[in-house]
Amino acid sequence: GESVGLHLPTLSVQEGDNSIINCAYSNSASDYFIWYKQESGKGPQFIIDIRSNMDKRQGQRVTVLLNKTVKHLSLQIAATQPGDSAVYFCAENIPRWGKLQFGAGTQVVVTP
Amino acid sequence: NAGVTQTPKFRVLKTGQSMTLLCAQDMNHEYMYWYRQDPGMGLRLIHYSVGEGTTAKGEVPDGYNVSRLKKQNFLLGLESAAPSQTSVYFCASSYRGLSWDYGYTFGSGTRLTVV
Repeated sequence: GESVGLHLPTLSVQEGDNSIINCAYSNSASDYFIWYKQESGKGPQFIIDIRSNMDKRQGQRVTVLLNKTVKHLSLQIAATQPGDSAVYFCAENIPRWGKLQFGAGTQVVVTP
Repeated sequence: NAGVTQTPKFRVLKTGQSMTLLCAQDMNHEYMYWYRQDPGMGLRLIHYSVGEGTTAKGEVPDGYNVSRLKKQNFLLGLESAAPSQTSVYFCASSYRGLSWDYGYTFGSGTRLTVV
């Protein structure tokens, strides 16, 4: 079946650099996407969301890009900080199902 | 404002034992969900509820039961625990389905080990 997936399981980033986390989705009917951050031992925390009728959305130090042509979602984190070390995963809303479907996640490690 | 609270945080069970995980939310959310998270896999939906007194099956409901007797509480039960149910369990809630700029609110999880 169709599912959400991630290209890179681990991303190592130097402090101060920008991070780009990728997510591939295969369900063309998905109409809404969310990025979550999960720190060790904690529950997922909402970062930013985007609707399928948008290409880009910006938050505080984060930008989400949506490319529906190639079914690709990315999260950009500007000036990555040690506190950004976590697992990041995307989720898509499939209208016929009505609930979120989650990807496996990417571990982001920020090095000094 | 506590958000979503899960109890217990950790538990070790022997095969065949039963237990109940409690999820409580104080945001007056209508919808509540139970997920399990296993290494290398995304969150998988076990059961969910769209309101007090209603429950429905998710992707992986076998071996679990749920109840939503009060709007603020969502209970997940394991009648006869199996090692395959070793996982981290997350509860989540939302006002009604998905909310813009909000998504779901998650609890901090229950780490369950079945030996």
